[in-house]
Amino acid sequence: EDKVVQSPLSLVVHEGDTVTLNCSYEVTNFRSLLWYKQEKKAPTFLFMLTSSGIEKKSGRLSSILDKKELFSILNITATQTGDSAVYLCAVFQYSGGGADGLTFGKGTHLIIQP
Amino acid sequence: DTGVSQDPRHKITKRGQNVTFRCDPISEHNRLYWYRQTLGQGPEFLTYFQNEAQLEKSRLLSDRFSAERPKGSFSTLEIQRTEQGDSAMYLCASSLRDRVWGPMNTEAFFGQGTRLTVV
Repeated sequence: EDKVVQSPLSLVVHEGDTVTLNCSYEVTNFRSLLWYKQEKKAPTFLFMLTSSGIEKKSGRLSSILDKKELFSILNITATQTGDSAVYLCAVFQYSGGGADGLTFGKGTHLIIQP
Repeated sequence: DTGVSQDPRHKITKRGQNVTFRCDPISEHNRLYWYRQTLGQGPEFLTYFQNEAQLEKSRLLSDRFSAERPKGSFSTLEIQRTEQGDSAMYLCASSLRDRVWGPMNTEAFFGQGTRLTVV
């Protein structure tokens, strides 16, 4: 059965700390891995990772994929209270028969304390 | 607003009633996905469309659920004879693929969701 596992499930840190969120996966026909940030409503897109070992950065956030070890990490440096959210990892699976889609992990609930 | 829009944003219904949700994807996107999300869980895949064709349905989608995308644009998700276990956030997402069997070109963009409460 395909699965995406995120850890930790929850994390509380102080403003200014650096955090690392983990996502491991076991899926068939892996195509790409995506990170989303979810505050109160819809997930908002952060990164899409397709190639192993290439870091993607956006401001204080960065992410990298390891396709050999089947995991990805999301780093947030100099955290701010506005970073408090649930961070979702999702894997896009591709099937030549057209049956594909995103499988999500349960998310990491990150709380940044002032 | 050129993002994915969902309507209604909130729905409270009595058990046994039918409900219908609507999703308008980003206009040039040919892929449309429905997900369900309960508290503390990541979104769970329900079904998706490539243009007007429904290509896959999850085992979560019982026969009380039906989804349509009649003209390859907006989509509706109907739940018949609602049960309390149907209470959840129903999320719609869209993305662009350049060929039916091709790789995903873009990330999936999500709507704000419809929160369903069955009482």
